[in-house]
Parts: sequence; C-alpha cells; structure tokens
Amino acid sequence: DQQVKQNSPSLSVQEGRISILNCDYTNSMFDYFLWYKKYPAEGPTFLISISSIKDKNEDGRFTVFLNKSAKHLSLHIVPSQPGDSAVYFCAASALGGGSQGNLIFGKGTKLSVKP
Amino acid sequence: EAQVTQNPRYLITVTGKKLTVTCSQNMNHEYMSWYRQDPGLGLRQIYYSMNVEVTDKGDVPEGYKVSRKEKRNFPLILESPSPNQTSLYFCASSFWGGGEQYFGPGTRLTVT
Repeated sequence: DQQVKQNSPSLSVQEGRISILNCDYTNSMFDYFLWYKKYPAEGPTFLISISSIKDKNEDGRFTVFLNKSAKHLSLHIVPSQPGDSAVYFCAASALGGGSQGNLIFGKGTKLSVKP
Repeated sequence: EAQVTQNPRYLITVTGKKLTVTCSQNMNHEYMSWYRQDPGLGLRQIYYSMNVEVTDKGDVPEGYKVSRKEKRNFPLILESPSPNQTSLYFCASSFWGGGEQYFGPGTRLTVT
C-alpha cells in the first residue's frame, strides 16, 4: 500500500501563475517531509523540507504547507517559471525508530509551465 | 565539490551477463541507497546501507546485490540481469536515511 501518494501525475500551469502540487500520506509516524525536483537525464535534487512541528516553510518562490490532521502537504510555486518544468517528488520519513529512517517517495507529478 | 558519482551512465547488456554499477560519495555520509525509477512507479528503493558492512533490503531487492566495504562506495551488482531490470537507477547518500539525500546523475540500464 502506498504510504505517500501524489494523485496528480501531471500539472500544466501558465508562466507567472501559481503552481500547487499536492501530496498525501497515510503513516502517522511520518514527521519530516521533503520535496525533490527532477529534470530529465539528471538525478533528483532537494528542493525544500518541513518538519511536523511547523505548518509552513518558505524558500524564495517555494512554500510548503503541512496539514497534519489531514495528512496532506502541498508545494506552492509563485510565480511559476518555464525553468520549473520538471517532475516533483514528495517524500516522507519518521525521525523516530520503527521505519528505519528511510525516505518514502511518492510517484511524482510532472509540472509543465507554459510561456 | 560535494557529489555522488555513478558509473557507467549508460549501459546496454544482454540477459545473464553479470554487471556492476558503481556509486561513490565524497560527503562522508553514513547512509547510502539505491533506487530505480520506472514510468508510473516513481522511485523505488532497492537496497540501503546505514553504515559500513550494514546493508538491508528495500522495496524491490530481488535480482540485486550490494556491498558496503568502504564508507564512500556502494556498488550495485546484478548477477544475472533480466529484461525486467531495464530501468533508470539512482544512487543516493545522506547523513541519515530519513534526511535530505543527495542523488547521483543516474545510470540508464537496458537489458536485452
């Protein structure tokens, strides 16, 4: 059973508008969440993270929101740029024991930002 | 420069011919991991290592072997590759498994 779900395989947004990528998780032990960005022919690169003690974390144009009660997080990109076109992976882990500390990845959402 | 390197980047081989994909990191990370990426399936973990001489299976370990004799290296071994192992493989490393992982550039493997 998938513990981290990205239900939208793809998303298309106009340049300058907001991109919202969503991620849901099922394991209540998860307390650290990350977003990775992947361009074709490259490895994933870390984008932004959030701990469960926070509900929001910002880094420039990127903001991640965490709703623990809904087990949902989202990545907002404002404004979206053509260079943001990539596959975005959501990942989660538990700082405590039990999950062996591995990252669990979602299947990814392909974002296309059109000029 | 802090990095994870993988070799080769591209490999075409035939069924049953043993191969090794190397992975090396220069960040003194204790945790290393191998993933495969397939269309519609995202990143799936093959094997991981918490430290030297400590390895464990991930979600899809069948048909793969790993070893961790040195902290910086974590090779992935396919003893008898099969066409269903055609995939894009990524090595990653981090200070701990649940934290920010640094990925290599990927190895595209085709088994005919």
